[in-house]
Amino acid sequence: QLQLQESGPGLVKPSETLSLTCTVSGGSISSSSYYWGWIRQPPGKGLEWIGLIHYSGRTYYSPSLKSRVTLSVDTSKNQFSLKLSSVTAADTAVYYCARYSGYKTYYFDYWGQGTLVTVSS
Amino acid sequence: QSALTQPPSASGSPGQSVTISCTGTSSDVGGYNYVSWYQQHPGKAPKLMIYEVSKRPSGVPDRFSGSKSGNTASLTVSGLQAEDEADYYCSSYAGSDYVFGTGTKVTVL
Repeated sequence: QLQLQESGPGLVKPSETLSLTCTVSGGSISSSSYYWGWIRQPPGKGLEWIGLIHYSGRTYYSPSLKSRVTLSVDTSKNQFSLKLSSVTAADTAVYYCARYSGYKTYYFDYWGQGTLVTVSS
Repeated sequence: QSALTQPPSASGSPGQSVTISCTGTSSDVGGYNYVSWYQQHPGKAPKLMIYEVSKRPSGVPDRFSGSKSGNTASLTVSGLQAEDEADYYCSSYAGSDYVFGTGTKVTVL
């Protein structure tokens, strides 16, 4: 059974960079059929797509966050990561990592449990 | 890309049906048959319930069904059960973008 687990600091100061890692177990991140994505959810609000990365390094970013987001992948550790720069209180959210079936079909089928990141001084 | 529009809330009694709409544009919902629906219980991660407009992943009850007409997709939950009370989000492929709906809270009366 595929499992994803987010990890990283729960508190980030304004103007700094938020960094999270997603560790994939029970399957290989190097499958050509899938992308790996990040989604966030501010407290009490809806879901927002952040971006996708393929093990080859190909990326897609949300237009609204593109200037601040960087995704990377480490196939040797079966992990992928998110960096969000110049954070403000508006970036406070639960951040989810998920597997994206992006080959001729498009949906997130496996999700991590989510991790709350608070932006505050 | 703006969020897809869903009603904030919907409700029904046990055994009844509830239908949730999801309105987008020709650039997302109307342009592709790649609408998905996710169920989210409080404090939990979203769970995929429907993909490609009307397909159900293994393990999802057939009480859940999806459809689409033009720029509007719909999720119907038939034979409502207490455990169906949750937030529901639609989503759509939109080329190099991916957009979620605003979310609908379903209450089982």
